[in-house]
Amino acid sequence: GENVEQHPSTLSVQEGDSAVIKCTYSDSASNYFPWYKQELGKGPQLIIDIRSNVGEKKDQRIAVTLNKTAKHFSLHITETQPEDSAVYFCAASASNTGFQKLVFGTGTRLLVSP
Amino acid sequence: EPEVTQTPSHQVTQMGQEVILRCVPISNHLYFYWYRQILGQKVEFLVSFYNNEISEKSEIFDDQFSVERPDGSNFTLKIRSTKLEDSAMYFCASKAATDTQYFGPGTRLTVL
Repeated sequence: GENVEQHPSTLSVQEGDSAVIKCTYSDSASNYFPWYKQELGKGPQLIIDIRSNVGEKKDQRIAVTLNKTAKHFSLHITETQPEDSAVYFCAASASNTGFQKLVFGTGTRLLVSP
Repeated sequence: EPEVTQTPSHQVTQMGQEVILRCVPISNHLYFYWYRQILGQKVEFLVSFYNNEISEKSEIFDDQFSVERPDGSNFTLKIRSTKLEDSAMYFCASKAATDTQYFGPGTRLTVL
């Protein structure tokens, strides 16, 4: 089955810096890659996603890149702010059937210091 | 904005007791999921549900677990005889025909 690795496990940056979180996946059938942000005591919230027919997607300060050949995808946050501090999870799924389950990475705790 | 809701937010139970965790998915969604997250670990898939039946389940989802959509709005997860290792956050998620799954705020289950 699918296995998703995520690095780093913790990331500390200064406000205004960029942050990059990287994930690799194992199943070449995976074609949908969402990123979730989880704040303390809350459920995961989708922040951006990308499908395998696209190499990059941007939404304001957040971007995701996908390299299908290497089976890795990355989350880029620019101009970080203290409210970006949270745990970020990448996930992968093969969405052809419609039912698709998400396989999550182990999470990255991002700390943005003022 | 529509959202997935879950009750209770925290459930404490004794080992061996039955618990039912409740979820109200987003109203026009067709696919429903339960995931769990043991403290400090990643989110793990338990089960997916579509058209009133289980479409896929993980190894974690053994005979002690069951899901039901008893009416048009609720989606429940039942654990028949809880174990200490069932202590975790349980998240319900739902989606429409597109890929995006929306998660609820979770139920923290503590088994004593």
